[in-house]
Amino acid sequence: NAGVTQTPKFRVLKTGQSMTLLCAQDMNHEYMYWYRQDPGMGLRLIHYSVGEGTTAKGEVPDGYNVSRLKKQNFLLGLESAAPSQTSVYFCASSYGLPYNSPLHFGNGTRLTVT
Amino acid sequence: RKEVEQDPGPFNVPEGATVAFNCTYSNSASQSFFWYRQDCRKEPKLLMSVYSSGNEDGRFTAQLNRASQYISLLIRDSKLSDSATYLCVVNPNYGGATNKLIFGTGTLLAVQP
Repeated sequence: NAGVTQTPKFRVLKTGQSMTLLCAQDMNHEYMYWYRQDPGMGLRLIHYSVGEGTTAKGEVPDGYNVSRLKKQNFLLGLESAAPSQTSVYFCASSYGLPYNSPLHFGNGTRLTVT
Repeated sequence: RKEVEQDPGPFNVPEGATVAFNCTYSNSASQSFFWYRQDCRKEPKLLMSVYSSGNEDGRFTAQLNRASQYISLLIRDSKLSDSATYLCVVNPNYGGATNKLIFGTGTLLAVQP
């Protein structure tokens, strides 16, 4: 059981560079999410998707874009990385709405922007 | 005021001790409540949901106090393996939105041998 898989696990970028984080889930979940976790702050929702082909903004979407072309994949893009985007990024999925469905998280991507 | 507040700790307790954490939330319309556990440099994992009537899972007991707007987690007979950060998670139900969760910053528990 792979669950939720994120790639890469670590990445160092220079300011202005771009990258894409890949999230894949094999649980046939409809809902997928991208969170960031910073010291002293709770996980914050960047973008989410309620199904294939749909995406929506979370609470901190600026500087990020997402795509959900296939149900099992949710991609997070940084077009022009900034030091403020240094963080740990977690992808998650759930079979239903998060108010009554547990979130299953990937093991995270540690991103440093210099 | 933060939407979800937790004492960051650390709570240093000996093995076998009973420890309790509280978490306060600001929105009285909040609908759902959870405790997640996060080990150091790992992903969060659901520990338990918190029901209005309170619920127990082995050594773990979760309670909800709507009047005072807090939830609690009680751990009995602490084990070394309980050492982790415990995240309080709330669905604030703004405007009926059931797809939003607010995560607390977490409470660090360190169980000592």
